[in-house]
Amino acid sequence: AQSVTQLGSHVSVSEGALVLLRCNYSSSVPPYLFWYVQYPNQGLQLLLKYTTGATLVKGINGFEAEFKKSETSFHLTKPSAHMSDAAEYFCAVSVSLANAGGTSYGKLTFGQGTILTVHP
Amino acid sequence: EAGVAQSPRYKIIEKRQSVAFWCNPISGHATLYWYQQILGQGPKLLIQFQNNGVVDDSQLPKDRFSAERLKGVDSTLKIQPAKLEDSAVYLCASTPGPGVYGYTFGSGTRLTVV
Repeated sequence: AQSVTQLGSHVSVSEGALVLLRCNYSSSVPPYLFWYVQYPNQGLQLLLKYTTGATLVKGINGFEAEFKKSETSFHLTKPSAHMSDAAEYFCAVSVSLANAGGTSYGKLTFGQGTILTVHP
Repeated sequence: EAGVAQSPRYKIIEKRQSVAFWCNPISGHATLYWYQQILGQGPKLLIQFQNNGVVDDSQLPKDRFSAERLKGVDSTLKIQPAKLEDSAVYLCASTPGPGVYGYTFGSGTRLTVV
């Protein structure tokens, strides 16, 4: 079974400040990890993902995250917050599934979400 | 490339009524998911289809929820009868299938049960 814990349901930063959103996961097999952003009344948009290889992953809009296996963490950061970053952010975990057609991605298990507020 | 289409965008019903949601995934995507997102929570998987077969429906309340994916393309999710606690956003997502990553989510249907 897999699970995700996001530390902090609300994070508030000033424009231009560092953004740090925390995510810890639990998985019995090597995980695939994701960060999604959701703006009000919209669907989920992928920010970045880690599957294999380099543990520092860069995504869209200047965000990046580092997979730390020893800490079971996948924290999301951005050096300088913009007003447009205000949204809800979800960390998610998936695992690979081997089947006749090759390796596929299993269901996503999401954390509870972190609402990011950016002050002028 | 067209995205995942969902309809309706909003629905308000009274408790004990029935409701249906529709999802049309990206063309060629073999896997389709329905998620339920209650306000203040992360999305929770209700059911996963691979083509027109069910892969995982362990968290689907089968006494009131049903879903189908005829011909392995679009899908409908039905609730009958609805309860107040079913108020949520219902998200549909699709992925290409084995060997290719790419979850794409629709904009969702916001259900309010009064």
